[in-house]
Amino acid sequence: QVRLQQSGPGLVKSSQTLSLTCAVSGESVSTNPSAWNWIRQSPSRGLEWLGRTYYRSKWYNDYAISVKSRITINPDTSKNQFSLILNSVTAADTAVYYCTKSGGAYSHFDYWGQGTLVTVSS
Amino acid sequence: QSALTQPASVSGSPGQSIAISCTGTSSDVGGYNYVSWYQQHPGTAPKLVIYDVTDRPSGVSSRFSGSKSGNTASLTISGLLAEDEAVYYCSSYTSTNTMVFGGGTKLTVL
Repeated sequence: QVRLQQSGPGLVKSSQTLSLTCAVSGESVSTNPSAWNWIRQSPSRGLEWLGRTYYRSKWYNDYAISVKSRITINPDTSKNQFSLILNSVTAADTAVYYCTKSGGAYSHFDYWGQGTLVTVSS
Repeated sequence: QSALTQPASVSGSPGQSIAISCTGTSSDVGGYNYVSWYQQHPGTAPKLVIYDVTDRPSGVSSRFSGSKSGNTASLTISGLLAEDEAVYYCSSYTSTNTMVFGGGTKLTVL
């Protein structure tokens, strides 16, 4: 059984960097064909897929156009976890952030973290 | 990538069947059989109920079923129970190698 445990600050100042980590148990983040995603949810934007990382002989990343210039998702195989870095945040980035696993790069989200409410303050 | 279009709300009485639509384009819903559906109760993370248009994860009730015609996918829930009251979201793979969600549909069991 896969388990995703999120950690990171719930409050970030405007223009600063949001950083969250998702620790994975029950499966290696290097497993093919799994992919590891970040998704956020806010009343104004609903559910929004932000991006993913996955291993297919080497590491790949895909990002949503809306955040592509500000986002980095990094795997950490030594700790079996992956992280989200979002730069230059504004109030519009206030949301509940979820890490998820999908069965493949094209695929559905079968396991979810508990969610982290991140508030961007001025 | 624009969000997929779902009705804001649907309702039904216990025992009835309801369907929730999810309309996209040929670049997402219509172009791939990678549509999934999620159920979300207040204060919890979404839960996968249908994937790859029609498949049901282990442990999900057979009362949940999915289908697709052209650019529109549908989630049908039969034999409505009070516990089915939740918000339902669709999602699809897209031609730009990204994922997109619908805006969500609030199901009320009367």
